[in-house]
Amino acid sequence: GAGVSQSPSNKVTEKGKDVELRCDPISGHTALYWYRQRLGQGLEFLIYFQGNSAPDKSGLPSDRFSAERTGESVSTLTIQRTQQEDSAVYLCASSGVFAADTQYFGPGTRLTVL
Amino acid sequence: AQKITQTQPGMFVQEKEAVTLDCTYDTSDPSYGLFWYKQPSSGEMIFLIYQGSYDQQNATEGRYSLNFQKARKSANLVISASQLGDSAMYFCAMREGRKGGRDDKIIFGKGTRLHILP
Repeated sequence: GAGVSQSPSNKVTEKGKDVELRCDPISGHTALYWYRQRLGQGLEFLIYFQGNSAPDKSGLPSDRFSAERTGESVSTLTIQRTQQEDSAVYLCASSGVFAADTQYFGPGTRLTVL
Repeated sequence: AQKITQTQPGMFVQEKEAVTLDCTYDTSDPSYGLFWYKQPSSGEMIFLIYQGSYDQQNATEGRYSLNFQKARKSANLVISASQLGDSAMYFCAMREGRKGGRDDKIIFGKGTRLHILP
């Protein structure tokens, strides 16, 4: 079946603009994650959705960042009033509910804020 | 406090040699899972191997094995007979908490960049 897809693959925006990044998880995966990866760095956890539970937003760096998920399907990560330090690859991953379930990653969205 | 520690930012290894990538973790939860991922220069994240905290034996997947030392909270990745294609970033990750519960997000270490030399 299809893997995790993300759109757009690349986004260039001007400082101060809002951007919306989309993630389509694997069908049936209840868990969905957003990570940020700056150039040459590790994965920085942003937010985690698990089924109908309230999302874990503990990794969101500021109130300019927000994310939504409709049921167990598509998720959107919104960054308002973008700053240059928001430039990074934003990775989405999904997995099943069990502890041993592997995360499957999307190809990422490369965001460049000019 | 950092939950996953990878102390080797970079490593250079001769082709065909075995390589060990270090990972230590910190958790008070008795139930957790440990993962290793590979990220080549293309940027994709590739799952390599998984170890559950209750697993009695070390996980193995082809040339990859996980040296799980629970008392030391260590989960080193061992790659046998390294190949040029193994050059990549390698991330150790942990999922803790109850199955399906709010706490079981997966968190990552900072990674180790592995260079295989011909």
